[in-house]
Amino acid sequence: QVQLVQSGAEVKKPGASVKVSCKASGYTFTGYYMHWIRQAPGQGLEWMGWINPNTGDTNYAQKFQGWVTMTRDTSITTAYMELSRLKSDDTAVYYCARVRELGAFDYWGQGTLVTVSS
Amino acid sequence: EIVLTQSPGTLSLSPGDRAILSCRASQSVSSYYLAWYQQKPGQAPRLLIYGASSRATGIPDRFSGSGSGTDFTLTISRLEPEDFAVYYCHQYGIRTFGQGTKVEIK
Repeated sequence: QVQLVQSGAEVKKPGASVKVSCKASGYTFTGYYMHWIRQAPGQGLEWMGWINPNTGDTNYAQKFQGWVTMTRDTSITTAYMELSRLKSDDTAVYYCARVRELGAFDYWGQGTLVTVSS
Repeated sequence: EIVLTQSPGTLSLSPGDRAILSCRASQSVSSYYLAWYQQKPGQAPRLLIYGASSRATGIPDRFSGSGSGTDFTLTISRLEPEDFAVYYCHQYGIRTFGQGTKVEIK
């Protein structure tokens, strides 16, 4: 069965970077784009960007350009999202999500809480 | 920038009631890429509807989606206790989520 398993919670200081992983299994990793979406406490969902695991091509939301980097390692079917220069309002749960046809996110990781605090 | 606005913000209903959730785009968007998600506390969102009206795998037929252009609707025909949650619409072309509608027990 399809599974996306994310890395554990992180606590970071302002100005630091965080790298969240998303291990995919149960399907052809390179066959589906992977998106990253975040959710601040008590807030809605915010799209961050996607990576094509086949080519490594990426597309980031304008807000995150210059400070988010999405990568993948096809040998271990894992996607990564790295956010730099963290601020307190980057405190959020970060999700990876696979996209199927018609732009539907059909499988999601369990989420990774990133807390930014001095 | 196209914005998705969901209404109402909160819907207070009883089990067995019909729920009608609205998602309105500030400009016309493709219905092919309009999806609805359900999120319960502490859980990741779950895909309910894609292509504006197609139910995802395993989704009960009490959930239905409709609409085109700027106006989209998610209808839950008879609320079950497990349906009380937050619902988000999303349009893939503009990569935008609505702000969510919370369906709570009255």
